[in-house]
Amino acid sequence: GENVEQHPSTLSVQEGDSAVIKCTYSDSASNYFPWYKQELGKGPQLIIDIRSNVGEKKDQRIAVTLNKTAKHFSLHITETQPEDSAVYFCAASNDYKLSFGAGTTVTVRA
Amino acid sequence: ETGVTQTPRHLVMGMTNKKSLKCEQHLGHNAMYWYKQSAKKPLELMFVYSLEERVENNSVPSRFSPECPNSSHLFLHLHTLQPEDSALYLCASSPLRSNNSPLHFGNGTRLTVT
Repeated sequence: GENVEQHPSTLSVQEGDSAVIKCTYSDSASNYFPWYKQELGKGPQLIIDIRSNVGEKKDQRIAVTLNKTAKHFSLHITETQPEDSAVYFCAASNDYKLSFGAGTTVTVRA
Repeated sequence: ETGVTQTPRHLVMGMTNKKSLKCEQHLGHNAMYWYKQSAKKPLELMFVYSLEERVENNSVPSRFSPECPNSSHLFLHLHTLQPEDSALYLCASSPLRSNNSPLHFGNGTRLTVT
């Protein structure tokens, strides 16, 4: 089955700096890669997703890149702000199963 | 404001109790899911319902019993749970039963089994 590894498990950044979270997956048939943000006391919320026919996608300060050959994808947050502090989950999906990473706790220091 | 509402937000129960978790979605979605979230672990899919029919059961112990009376409501009935069942239980919905369809999560029920 699919195995999704996510690194780092914790990340502390200075406000205004960039944050990068990396995920690898094992199933070459995976074709959909969403990212979820979970704030304290809330459920995960989709923030961006990318499909296997696209190499990069941007939405304001958030971008995701996908390298299908190496089977890894990354989330980039630029100009981090205090409200970016949360747990971020990557996931990879083939036609049969959606598998999540274990999460990255991001702390933005003021 | 989430379109998926879960109640209660917190639940403490003994191992001999019977309780139920409730989920309601106001998004007109056709699929609903139960996930278990434990600290530092990936989300674990428990059950999937599509158009009120259970389509997936990921080897979940029988002490967890789901019910989907209509496309807007989902329940998780709990009985004779174990301390290791303590976790955050998340309900989610999606427009279609597809692994490539974005999930909309509720805020979860924090369950503690004593």
